[in-house]
Amino acid sequence: GAVVSQHPSWVICKSGTSVKIECRSLDFQATTMFWYRQFPKQSLMLMATSNEGSKATYEQGVEKDKFLINHASLTLSTLTVTSAHPEDSSFYICSARRGGEKLFFGSGTQLSVL
Amino acid sequence: DQQVKQNSPSLSVQEGRISILNCDYTNSMFDYFLWYKKYPAEGPTFLISISSIKDKNEDGRFTVFLNKSAKHLSLHIVPSQPGDSAVYFCAANSGGSTLGRLYFGRGTQLTVWP
Repeated sequence: GAVVSQHPSWVICKSGTSVKIECRSLDFQATTMFWYRQFPKQSLMLMATSNEGSKATYEQGVEKDKFLINHASLTLSTLTVTSAHPEDSSFYICSARRGGEKLFFGSGTQLSVL
Repeated sequence: DQQVKQNSPSLSVQEGRISILNCDYTNSMFDYFLWYKKYPAEGPTFLISISSIKDKNEDGRFTVFLNKSAKHLSLHIVPSQPGDSAVYFCAANSGGSTLGRLYFGRGTQLTVWP
């Protein structure tokens, strides 16, 4: 199956710093990638849809200035959590869409903000 | 508002027996449903899907049943194997098989014991 690589798998940072998470589709081109967040015992919640070469579409309630998404190439999307705070601590996971009907997920990033 | 619900956080089944995982949804606009399986430290992987025009889809040991009137679907695994032990997520889409904004349940941890 297709492979989506997500890095880092976990990160601990101080409050106020920024953290960048990368999502790469290794063996296919993905014009569309999705970013999700999952709090403990909750479901995966879509944060934003990232389209190559255009601005991301954010879900209601997700601050676009706080969660910067860049999809500069067909194989790479990045999520930057700016000025992270403890309430941003969560599990972040990306997925890349192939051919419209298949989604392949990264392994996720556990973010802990101290 | 949780539009996709998996009310059982865990299920324990003996090897060789049937596992039945349940999922309910509230939005009648959903027309395509998917099950994903997730092992620890890995991203979810696609398992099986069903379109709302069908009431059953089978793939080997896995069968998904859809009851549109009840807004309920279930995943049957027969026979269950220890390697099936994982978290299973139910997801719903409203654009047919072209995947966009997926709504996920909270997942059910399946444990298959020898």
